[in-house]
This record gives sequence, structure tokens and C-alpha cells, in this order.
Amino acid sequence: ETGVTQTPRHLVMGMTNKKSLKCEQHLGHNAMYWYKQSAKKPLELMFVYSLEERVENNSVPSRFSPECPNSSHLFLHLHTLQPEDSALYLCASSQDAVLGKSDTQYFGPGTRLTVL
Amino acid sequence: GNSVTQMEGPVTLSEEAFLTINCTYTATGYPSLFWYVQYPGEGLQLLLKATKADDKGSNKGFEATYRKETTSFHLEKGSVQVSDSAVYFCALRSSGSARQLTFGSGTQLTVLP
Repeated sequence: ETGVTQTPRHLVMGMTNKKSLKCEQHLGHNAMYWYKQSAKKPLELMFVYSLEERVENNSVPSRFSPECPNSSHLFLHLHTLQPEDSALYLCASSQDAVLGKSDTQYFGPGTRLTVL
Repeated sequence: GNSVTQMEGPVTLSEEAFLTINCTYTATGYPSLFWYVQYPGEGLQLLLKATKADDKGSNKGFEATYRKETTSFHLEKGSVQVSDSAVYFCALRSSGSARQLTFGSGTQLTVLP
């Protein structure tokens, strides 16, 4: 039990579809993250939210749109994706202290996304 | 920039063998260092961490010592079990990029009975 849940666990979508990934953390943290894990590549940080505001965006294409309505929930809205976007998308959370120094990140199980 | 280099896998060991997975890093300042483990079909779990030089992180029989002089954080376990089969990731968080973790490429470990 990691305290971070993600739904769905598996998603298959066509390039013209619109879908959303959901992440929920039950740890009382105030920072949340989206990562992309592709085969044979290191994990890539996509977005960071701290206190529900986006604080980092690592040059992610606009077809990925994050949303953080509150400190416990994080969404990743997907539209017009490409087959190369197929990957495991991981959500994480941490306690982000006042001075921007984050404690350990805790990860969810991920959503395995396949784009046809 | 920051970077983490892990020994390439896959690594295959027999049960009760000694495990070492090498990890070296490049970073400015004084990074915190982590080992995460990913079991099949699951997300990453924190295995251990160390926040300053000479610290030793340990958990579930695994250990890693923060060596600033060699910029290393090698993972070791004296006697592996089949249940240790997983992918292991070394990561760092530098003081200059407080929220961003930089990960290595991961090392697949398979332990045979």
C-alpha cells in the first residue's frame, strides 16, 4: 500500500481519442508529480505541482495537459496522442516544504498507456 | 547538469548470492541519493536513501553508502532471495533542483531458486 493510487491501470486509445489519467494521494502531501517511463529510457519528469500550482513543466508537448484541482488529486488529460507516447505514466507525491526542499517522493503503480 | 549512471543489466544471480549494483552520479552541490525498486507490474517504491556524505541507507537487507569522494552510491545485499527480482533505480535530488529527481536507467535483477 503506497498511499498513491492511479486509475486506470491500463488504457488503450486511438490517436484521435481524448482520455484522462487520475492520481490520488492519501498521504497528506502537498506536491504531486507526473513521470513518463518508456522502455529502455530513464524516468522523465513531466509536471510538478506544489500547493496546487504548477511549478515545473519539462518541455512536455501540449497534447498532455495536467490538472491539479486540490492537493490530493492530479489528472493528466490526453488528446491527439502519438504511438510514441505509449509508456507507463507514473504519479508521485511528496511533502514540499516552504523553502522548496521536497522530502521523499512516493509513487503510484502507474497507468500503462498504449496509443494505437 | 545532473546525471546518474547505473551498471547495465540484466543481472542474474542464484538465491543467497551477494549482490552489488553500481551507481555513480554527477551533481552540483550536495545531492540526496536514493534507491527505488520496481516489482513487475507495479510503480516505484523507495528502498533506501542517504542525504549526506558517509550516510548509510539500509532497508530489507539492502545497504548503500553515500561516498562523496568517489561520487558513488552502490547498492549491496549479502544474500538475495527470489522475491528480490525487480528493477532497481538509483536517483539523486540536487540541492539546486529541490523537486526534481534524476534517475538512472535501471538495472533488472533476476534471482533464480
